[in-house]
Amino acid sequence: DTEVTQTPKHLVMGMTNKKSLKCEQHMGHRAMYWYKQKAKKPPELMFVYSYEKLSINESVPSRFSPECPNSSLLNLHLHALQPEDSALYLCASSQDLPGGGKDTQYFGPGTRLTVL
Amino acid sequence: AQRVTQPEKLLSVFKGAPVELKCNYSYSGSPELFWYVQYSRQRLQLLLRHISRESIKGFTADLNKGETSFHLKKPFAQEEDSAMYYCALSPRTSGSRLTFGEGTQLTVNP
Repeated sequence: DTEVTQTPKHLVMGMTNKKSLKCEQHMGHRAMYWYKQKAKKPPELMFVYSYEKLSINESVPSRFSPECPNSSLLNLHLHALQPEDSALYLCASSQDLPGGGKDTQYFGPGTRLTVL
Repeated sequence: AQRVTQPEKLLSVFKGAPVELKCNYSYSGSPELFWYVQYSRQRLQLLLRHISRESIKGFTADLNKGETSFHLKKPFAQEEDSAMYYCALSPRTSGSRLTFGEGTQLTVNP
């Protein structure tokens, strides 16, 4: 399996809902990432997990809560979102390089989130 | 701080014409440079990375450290090359913090 998968493909939620986005990879990668991408803009890094530990949080509001239950899974829990949070949420993964550092990031297809 | 600049938001060429998508970067250390492509309704996918020095789908890119550039080139554009292209940089020592340029939307006209 050489792909990153994400579910659901589309999600519509109200501002009071609680929902979760899921990401899975079986490539043995130990780094996983969440990005937010607005239309016609580049992806913006939100979180990085390395060996199931949160290593980077790009000052993301607490209404986004990441979780890495194991090395293959990454979740993004959503609560009390705002309409401006509507975007494509991308997951990515990468493997470690000898001597440190991370290899190329491979991206999932994304979840298109609409907040009403 | 690391920064990637793609000066052209939109680029339009005719089929069979050469195409060059520009990318300039600023980073004080030793960077690793990538080109990612996003076709309509498809996932973001790696096109090239500078350390592999390979040609993918006829595209090449050379890292010019003197000019801090990593321009993407193809001698003869095809209609199926129409897509959004992002240049990206990560520090070679860590690789976690991938910084993207704003992207260039390439349209290849018949």
